[in-house]
Amino acid sequence: DADVTQTPRNRITKTGKRIMLECSQTKGHDRMYWYRQDPGLGLRLIYYSFDVKDINKGEISDGYSVSRQAQAKFSLSLESAIPNQTALYFCAVRGNDAYYGYTFGSGTRLTVV
Amino acid sequence: GQQLNQSPQSMFIQEGEDVSMNCTSSSIFNTWLWYKQDPGEGPVLLIALYKAGELTSNGRLTAQFGTTRKDSFLNISASIPSDVGIYFCAGLNAGNMLTFGGGTRLMVKP
Repeated sequence: DADVTQTPRNRITKTGKRIMLECSQTKGHDRMYWYRQDPGLGLRLIYYSFDVKDINKGEISDGYSVSRQAQAKFSLSLESAIPNQTALYFCAVRGNDAYYGYTFGSGTRLTVV
Repeated sequence: GQQLNQSPQSMFIQEGEDVSMNCTSSSIFNTWLWYKQDPGEGPVLLIALYKAGELTSNGRLTAQFGTTRKDSFLNISASIPSDVGIYFCAGLNAGNMLTFGGGTRLMVKP
């Protein structure tokens, strides 16, 4: 099994619909992150969480919300999807040791029509 | 927020050629990371750099942490078709937050 699992892998949804992207990890790390990837813009941070009771906004949190249901689970929601939220979304985890890099999931490709 | 300028944005090279890409920032980073993203997958860590001036190799890949702590370089020697993908630099600041460059898309012609 992958260390970081994202579901679904692909999703097409209509404008105005609510959608949830899920992320689960088996690494036992406390720190979890949601990133959005657009061509030429790299990965931009949406939200992050350092433990179950900790939620923080990232660079581009407007239009998104998150829930840290357990240490291993971190979900991202679009309450009312709009077309410019069409993007590739990645979940990442990181250990507390400063020398650990981030481990990414395989991504969710979301299309809002 | 912090900005990382990564160049070039894309490269189309012949198999066997060497590749160079770099990242520059207006801010200092404590750690520089280089990732590769294959189509349909998430980024995978290639090299991590922890000290200014550090030069680290991973097979045909060599990366350097700039002495000013505001830049980093990645070189790939003798490119092969499986080197195709998007390469990202990323800087980790004192608050342990990661900032990504815009990526370099590498295409290799056999």
